[in-house]
Amino acid sequence: DIQMTQSPSSLSVSVGDRVTITCRASQSIRIYLNWYQQRPGKAPKLLIYGASSLQSGVPSRFSGSGSGTDFILTISSLQPEDFATYYCQQSYSNLYTFGQGTKLEIK
Amino acid sequence: QAQLVESGGGVVQPGRSLRLSCAASGFTFSDYGMHWVRQAPGKGLEWVAVIWFDGSEKYYADSVEGRFTISRDNSHNTLHLQMNSLRVDDTAVYYCAREVVGATTGGRWDYWGQGTQVTVSS
Repeated sequence: DIQMTQSPSSLSVSVGDRVTITCRASQSIRIYLNWYQQRPGKAPKLLIYGASSLQSGVPSRFSGSGSGTDFILTISSLQPEDFATYYCQQSYSNLYTFGQGTKLEIK
Repeated sequence: QAQLVESGGGVVQPGRSLRLSCAASGFTFSDYGMHWVRQAPGKGLEWVAVIWFDGSEKYYADSVEGRFTISRDNSHNTLHLQMNSLRVDDTAVYYCAREVVGATTGGRWDYWGQGTQVTVSS
């Protein structure tokens, strides 16, 4: 199975900060990488697909980059509603896998 | 607007069975692959199973292979997850999700249900 490793596991940040979350795959997954946001008690929400494509309706402060094994999710200026947990997920293999998540906490 | 609504969760003893359902509306259900994803209390997301749009292919996580069966009824716009030989570590919120496949971007899960709680306890 393809292992997905996110870093950091948690991050203390402030409104207005630029945030970067990293996701590494155990083998090349080309650009078959998605990012999801999950608020407490809610279902995950798709943010970025195909490593860098912004899902319809998602604010432009969210962006993604990378290919192969290394990927980045960037939030350009953190807003109060962005405090949540973020997951990467690969769709290269039919045995789909998520990263362990990155929780953004208020500093 | 697409909508997915899970049902069938509850409290069950170890070794017993449970069947989850996911009712789809607002889109042509038979055009999309569908997934089950779960989240144990305080833990991250874990993919469980996928079924192709026509039911021709199914894949399972190692943790549920041989115990869980995913199926769909395209005539009734419903996805199912039959869970047998349940274990305490199957306790989780179970979500169904719709997959959209892009020609160059791969699959992505754009609609999710609200989840249904499954608790396995003696």
